[in-house]
Amino acid sequence: EAGVVQSPRYKIIEKKQPVAFWCNPISGHNTLYWYRQNLGQGPELLIRYENEEAVDDSQLPKDRFSAERLKGVDSTLKIQPAELGDSAVYLCASSLENIQYFGAGTRLSVL
Amino acid sequence: GEDVEQSLFLSVREGDSSVINCTYTDSSSTYLYWYKQEPGAGLQLLTYIFSNMDMKQDQRLTVLLNKKDKHLSLRIADTQTGDSAIYFCAESLQTGANNLFFGTGTRLTVIP
Repeated sequence: EAGVVQSPRYKIIEKKQPVAFWCNPISGHNTLYWYRQNLGQGPELLIRYENEEAVDDSQLPKDRFSAERLKGVDSTLKIQPAELGDSAVYLCASSLENIQYFGAGTRLSVL
Repeated sequence: GEDVEQSLFLSVREGDSSVINCTYTDSSSTYLYWYKQEPGAGLQLLTYIFSNMDMKQDQRLTVLLNKKDKHLSLRIADTQTGDSAIYFCAESLQTGANNLFFGTGTRLTVIP
């Protein structure tokens, strides 16, 4: 069975440019999470979806970040415009019950 | 708020046991998890324990939970070089669709 798939694996952009990340969760997992992991830190939740509904986006910087999960399956996370401080690894996870499974992440470098 | 703390580094010799410690502050934690992260990779779930348990063993891994002291540990028996990675402790505060709160991670280095 395929795990959580994220793309791209790496992205390098200049500041003020837009960027988007894509996540395909494990089949049948209704809950999807986006985390940000800064260098030397643990992941921190940005947003959680139950099917297509964002049920917890309290930590998402809404001035520049947006996310969608239109059909309750795959999801995109967008940053527009990107800032230098957005450089991090963006991790997607999905769960069916109490166990979250993570993708390999997208490493974003903003120059 | 939720605060999960771990020591940053641990070095052990191949074949020895490793013990990675974690403390958390929220007594309403329901599940506690250990994840492993290798360089450039995502997080791999190693094991987890429900808050009404005090020990769980899974092959080379032993998890001990002391709810009174809010202390969680992961023991890896017969540590191998392939165990070198960053280990994250995480807690969740409710059943069902839970948000995880992670520690900063402990970098385990196994010396051949």
